[in-house]
Amino acid sequence: DQQVKQNSPSLSVQEGRISILNCDYTNSMFDYFLWYKKYPAEGPTFLISISSIKDKNEDGRFTVFLNKSAKHLSLHIVPSQPGDSAVYFCAAKRGTASKLTFGTGTRLQVTL
Amino acid sequence: NAGVTQTPKFQVLKTGQSMTLQCAQDMNHNSMYWYRQDPGMGLRLIYYSASEGTTDKGEVPNGYNVSRLNKREFSLRLESAAPSQTSVYFCASSEMFRTGNNQPQHFGDGTRLSIL
Repeated sequence: DQQVKQNSPSLSVQEGRISILNCDYTNSMFDYFLWYKKYPAEGPTFLISISSIKDKNEDGRFTVFLNKSAKHLSLHIVPSQPGDSAVYFCAAKRGTASKLTFGTGTRLQVTL
Repeated sequence: NAGVTQTPKFQVLKTGQSMTLQCAQDMNHNSMYWYRQDPGMGLRLIYYSASEGTTDKGEVPNGYNVSRLNKREFSLRLESAAPSQTSVYFCASSEMFRTGNNQPQHFGDGTRLSIL
């Protein structure tokens, strides 16, 4: 039972354009969400997060939007750069628990 | 700036062999985690240790054991390796949750394990 879903395995975007990565979740108890970025042969690195009390969080070129009623979040990257090419994982946690539940990942390729 | 260090980086085992994957962090984090990553499956939690002296099962604990040796080190043991355990294993650490203070997990670069 996949509680966090990333339905697009891959996405290709031109440099300078917006990249939008999507994530859906089924567990309404999740109250904190994170995005991780992963390059080949490296571990995931934390990118940005959002609490369920907010609907938007921004950090430079990266913005995460949360729609609690739809149980949906998205990561926007503007403008996209070739160095953004990586696999992006959405993750969620609930309450005081420290463990994360991850989605299956979306491979983003930013083309010149 | 070592962060989370995993050893070895690569390993090939034969079915039935045993193996311990090592993980150490130098960020003074209380919580540590072991994940496996398989194609199309994302990262799945095997075991975690919320604080020194405690360990708990995650989503896929069968076939594994863990030891929280001290605050810095958290090892993962495969007692009798099976081909289904071929995967990339990631260790992570984080601060323990405190109200209003969600800290992200920091990951090592992984151990690529193949079981023949």
